[in-house]
Amino acid sequence: KAGVTQTPRYLIKTRGQQVTLSCSPISGHRSVSWYQQTPGQGLQFLFEYFSETQRNKGNFPGRFSGRQFSNSRSEMNVSTLELGDSALYLCASSLDRAPETQYFGPGTRLLVL
Amino acid sequence: AQSVTQLGSHVSVSEGALVLLRCNYSSSVPPYLFWYVQYPNQGLQLLLKYTTGATLVKGINGFEAEFKKSETSFHLTKPSAHMSDAAEYFCAVLGERGYQKVTFGTGTKLQVIP
Repeated sequence: KAGVTQTPRYLIKTRGQQVTLSCSPISGHRSVSWYQQTPGQGLQFLFEYFSETQRNKGNFPGRFSGRQFSNSRSEMNVSTLELGDSALYLCASSLDRAPETQYFGPGTRLLVL
Repeated sequence: AQSVTQLGSHVSVSEGALVLLRCNYSSSVPPYLFWYVQYPNQGLQLLLKYTTGATLVKGINGFEAEFKKSETSFHLTKPSAHMSDAAEYFCAVLGERGYQKVTFGTGTKLQVIP
């Protein structure tokens, strides 16, 4: 079974631009969660989607948004990029709610200049 | 509310020595607890998890962890370190039922000295 895939793997943007990241979960998984990883703040939960509905949200500004499609693929969007948005963005999928194991993708590394 | 504290951002052990990575948690409800490993330029991989039942949990690659409610701890151990264990390890807690809103610790980088 294919693992969680994330595209693109690397991205360079400038301040003020917007970016869309994509995540394809493991086949059959309906829950997709997004995390931001930075050296200063560590791993922080962004949001979780299940069956196209946002089920939970972390403490991030409204510039961070996401969605999930009927095939469980998910996208997250960051608008008006700031330098502090530079991070590794990780997507994780699971069959359902916790404590189902989350399987992580390799991440998208975003650099904002 | 839930939180995780990992003691020691860097730990060095000799090859063949005991690995002990410390994790303390806080949760207002009985927690689910996890240990993940992250190799450079990769995502996280689940080592083991505690949900209910037996407090000693065995995971992959010879790792195990013991849930101690009285100490609010979930320390990760491995009897004999291998060079391939060099990576960053994250302890995580889930205290809210029904969601995947996991709170991670700040991570511990494990160095294995030959």
